[in-house]
Amino acid sequence: AQSVTQLDSQVPVFEEAPVELRCNYSSSVSVYLFWYVQYPNQGLQLLLKYLSGSTLVKGINGFEAEFNKSQTSFHLRKPSVHISDTAEYFCAVSTPGTYKYIFGTGTRLKVLA
Amino acid sequence: DSGVTQTPKHLITATGQRVTLRCSPRSGDLSVYWYQQSLDQGLQFLIQYYNGEERAKGNILERFSAQQFPDLHSELNLSSLELGDSALYFCASSRGLAGAQETQYFGPGTRLLVL
Repeated sequence: AQSVTQLDSQVPVFEEAPVELRCNYSSSVSVYLFWYVQYPNQGLQLLLKYLSGSTLVKGINGFEAEFNKSQTSFHLRKPSVHISDTAEYFCAVSTPGTYKYIFGTGTRLKVLA
Repeated sequence: DSGVTQTPKHLITATGQRVTLRCSPRSGDLSVYWYQQSLDQGLQFLIQYYNGEERAKGNILERFSAQQFPDLHSELNLSSLELGDSALYFCASSRGLAGAQETQYFGPGTRLLVL
């Protein structure tokens, strides 16, 4: 069975500082990995996804993530955050040949002025 | 705006009642997914439909059912409601042709409060 762990439930960071949101997954087969963002009172929106190929994936709004198979991780990073990045971030995993997506419990990013 | 619409935005009802949540996918999308988001359970996948047929099932209770109609809109029916069913229910859609690698587009959600 697959699972996703987001190690931090909340991450406070000052504006213009770098941030890393951690995601670890567990799967015995190959996976697809996703990061979604949920702004207050809105639905989820895709930031980026890893399907195959280059392990460094660039997404929207200056975010990037690196797939590390040996560490079973897919951490999300941004070199300089803005107040507008305050939101909840969800890591998700799915498996080729299936149609199920497993989401992590989310990390609430709070950007402070 | 993702192009996915959900109605109603808010719903307040009593325990034991039945409600229907509606979702219209993005134009051209054949797959619809339903999720439940609550404080204690997080975001849980409930069920997926593709072109009218059930394709995958997650943690959906037997009191809940869903269907996708010929015009591709979907409805999630929740019956014998309990206090614990209070949550945000999201619908998402995708093209449905490329399986698990597809991006899902989420609607704004329906907030259900069971009193």
